[in-house]
Amino acid sequence: AQSVAQPEDQVNVAEGNPLTVKCTYSVSGNPYLFWYVQYPNRGLQFLLKYITGDNLVKGSYGFEAEFNKSQTSFHLKKPSALVSDSALYFCAVAEGNNFNKFYFGSGTKLNVKP
Amino acid sequence: AAGVIQSPRHLIKEKRETATLKCYPIPRHDTVYWYQQGPGQDPQFLISFYEKMQSDKGSIPDRFSAQQFSDYHSELNMSSLELGDSALYFCASSLGSRGSSYNSPLHFGNGTRLTVT
Repeated sequence: AQSVAQPEDQVNVAEGNPLTVKCTYSVSGNPYLFWYVQYPNRGLQFLLKYITGDNLVKGSYGFEAEFNKSQTSFHLKKPSALVSDSALYFCAVAEGNNFNKFYFGSGTKLNVKP
Repeated sequence: AAGVIQSPRHLIKEKRETATLKCYPIPRHDTVYWYQQGPGQDPQFLISFYEKMQSDKGSIPDRFSAQQFSDYHSELNMSSLELGDSALYFCASSLGSRGSSYNSPLHFGNGTRLTVT
């Protein structure tokens, strides 16, 4: 069975500091991993994905994520946080070769303080 | 760039009423997904369609049904509404790739907020 875990309900960081939002996954085959961001009352916006290739994936708005197979992790990172990055972040995994289902983590609320 | 369009943005219904939510995917996207997000919850997969046929089914109640039309838009029909159906309903679309390597992430609409009173 596929599952995604985001161990932190909330992450607080000061503007200009690096940020990390954690995600670990469990899949039965090759992982297809994604990060989405959700602003209040808005849909989920795609940030980045890992399918194959380089373990470091670069995405929108300066975000990147590192795929670590041995630790089954896909942490989201940004070198310098902005107040406007404050939002809800969801990690997701697609189910093997069946791409009809995405399993989402529980979400992590990122608060960036000025 | 065109995005996924959902209508209406907000909907208020009473218990036992029916509701219809509409989703217009990104042009050329042939796959549509429906998700339900309760307050403070992560999105839960309901149902998906590929090329106008149901491709997968998640935790969709029997009171709900959905279909994808020839122009690829989709409608989620909800009957005998219950208070617990109050949620944000998201539609997402992608370029289907059944049987081949995945290359299209899901693109989400802004959602329809359904309130059942």
